Amino acid sequence: QQQVKQSPQSLIVQKGGISIINCAYENTAFDYFPWYQQFPGKGPALLIAIRPDVSEKKEGRFTISFNKSAKQFSLHIMDSQPGDSATYFCAASTQAGTALIFGKGTTLSVSS
Amino acid sequence: SAVISQKPSRDICQRGTSLTIQCQVDSQVTMMFWYRQQPGQSLTLIATANQGSEATYESGFVIDKFPISRPNLTFSTLTVSNMSPEDSSIYLCSVEPGGGGWGTEAFFGQGTRLTVV
Repeated sequence: QQQVKQSPQSLIVQKGGISIINCAYENTAFDYFPWYQQFPGKGPALLIAIRPDVSEKKEGRFTISFNKSAKQFSLHIMDSQPGDSATYFCAASTQAGTALIFGKGTTLSVSS
Repeated sequence: SAVISQKPSRDICQRGTSLTIQCQVDSQVTMMFWYRQQPGQSLTLIATANQGSEATYESGFVIDKFPISRPNLTFSTLTVSNMSPEDSSIYLCSVEPGGGGWGTEAFFGQGTRLTVV
């Protein structure tokens, strides 16, 4: 499987701060880049996704920034809240509908 | 969307035994995926199960160890055979109701937390 590299492994942010998680990929055939959020004891759930023909997508407090030439994308969580404390996974797949390839995950803790 | 019911939610098993995990989806889907998530780690694809054909396994996973059944478009099972402590993990099933491709959201079951002692 092609690798998706995610950093940092863990992140502690003050309430109201900005959380930033970065991912890099190798396979240029990837054209779907979702972020998943996972709470303990639950399966991952889609948070937001982007396609490579746009550089940014925003949904509420969550923004994906995408840099196709650098093969990197990142998740920004604005005004981070304690309820955002979870594990976040970046992922990638091809339009052929193959299974998602996940990064190693980032455990976010938002302190109040 | 899709709602996935996965059973059991957790189990503690003796080494050398086998456990079958069930995944029931509330809608018909062509592709189902089985993932393994080791403690504090990412999700690793075990296999892709399409109804009416043999499951396709990823490198490092073999059918003898992880046999999969896919009898219809709403159900699949994954068996973890001849278990060892190294098999302790969370196992998740996933579907993409849109059939794959860009914009297709993957839905996950809540996972089966397996502990082998």
